[in-house]
Amino acid sequence: GAVVSQHPSRVICKSGTSVKIECRSLDFQATTMFWYRQFPKQSLMLMATSNEGSKATYEQGVEKDKFLINHASLTLSTLTVTSAHPEDSSFYICSARRGGANTGELFFGEGSRLTVL
Amino acid sequence: AQRVTQPEKLLSVFKGAPVELKCNYSYSGSPELFWYVQYSRQRLQLLLRHISRESIKGFTADLNKGETSFHLKKPFAQEEDSAMYYCALMTGGTSYGKLTFGQGTILTVHP
Repeated sequence: GAVVSQHPSRVICKSGTSVKIECRSLDFQATTMFWYRQFPKQSLMLMATSNEGSKATYEQGVEKDKFLINHASLTLSTLTVTSAHPEDSSFYICSARRGGANTGELFFGEGSRLTVL
Repeated sequence: AQRVTQPEKLLSVFKGAPVELKCNYSYSGSPELFWYVQYSRQRLQLLLRHISRESIKGFTADLNKGETSFHLKKPFAQEEDSAMYYCALMTGGTSYGKLTFGQGTILTVHP
């Protein structure tokens, strides 16, 4: 089956630094990827839709300058948490859509746990 | 705005017992609903989708538009079914693939 890989799986950083998380579709091209955030024992909340070759679409309440998304190729989307603070600590999960614009199947990455000290 | 509600955060049953995980939704458009499962230390994976009307691992779910529900059922639970289950609603259009998740239900099947 299709595989979506995230890197790193875990990252610890100091407050004020920026952290980049990668999401790759390993065996298919994904024009659209999605970034979610999951708090402990809570649901996944959609942060933004990442579109290859164009700007990401952010959900209401998500700071686009704080969470920079770049979808530079058909197999890679990156999420950069800028000037990270402890409240940004969370589990970040990406998904990639394989298939057409109105069809397709979603595949999820294994998630990246960010801890900001 | 769309919303998905899973009223039970925890659900415990014994092996062989029937299990039902509840899911209700609100959405002004035509809903497309999914159940995702996350086993311990594994990634989220699709269990089933309402448009397929299939049974996966013995689980079924029927979309009831009148009650705006999409409950997940299995007649005889197995220990390996223990996992976190998420009900999700997909919105379509150009943003096909955007999922709104419920809060999740942790299912524990005791031997």
